[in-house]
Amino acid sequence: DAGVTQSPTHLIKTRGQQVTLRCSPKSGHDTVSWYQQALGQGPQFIFQYYEEEERQRGNFPDRFSGHQFPNYSSELNVNALLLGDSALYLCASSLSQETYNEQFFGPGTRLTVL
Amino acid sequence: GDSVTQMEGPVTLSEEAFLTINCTYTATGYPSLFWYVQYPGEGLQLLLKATKADDKGSNKGFEATYRKETTSFHLEKGSVQVSDSAVYFCALSDLDSNSGYALNFGKGTSLLVTP
Repeated sequence: DAGVTQSPTHLIKTRGQQVTLRCSPKSGHDTVSWYQQALGQGPQFIFQYYEEEERQRGNFPDRFSGHQFPNYSSELNVNALLLGDSALYLCASSLSQETYNEQFFGPGTRLTVL
Repeated sequence: GDSVTQMEGPVTLSEEAFLTINCTYTATGYPSLFWYVQYPGEGLQLLLKATKADDKGSNKGFEATYRKETTSFHLEKGSVQVSDSAVYFCALSDLDSNSGYALNFGKGTSLLVTP
């Protein structure tokens, strides 16, 4: 049973560039959430996608956008990169019918902005 | 709003010592509570969960009890191993609140177990 997968593993970008991160959910899951984890901190919720729409958004600027595809996979896009966007980006998947919002995480994409 | 507070780390223990990592929460509704573990260079793994008051979650020798009266969900293990060295995150989900589908995490507690 494949778990949550993310690509790429690492990325290095420069300020002002744009980046796209990808996520495939755990088999059978239909909901994808994205989190940003700065060094030494807990993950911060960016947004959640369900039925190809953004269902909920955390306190992140519009530079952060996403997409969910019919096969439930998802992309996170970040425009106009800032140094402060350097972090581990985690994707988590869940099943919409599950009552308690149990989320399963991928290994993350480490983004470094120079 | 909802929030989670964890004890500050790092915590350093000798192998076979008893572990407690404190976690308290603030929530407007009746949240579900989780402990996640993050090994170096990896993503988060769900360690255990509890979904209502007085529930005890357990896994791999770790336990935590959902205490509504003290709004706590402390993580315990009777005898730690070197392989338990990791960062532990307490998290809550309150589907009845404004934060809805988000998991709210504490800042994490780093555990180092020495032989």
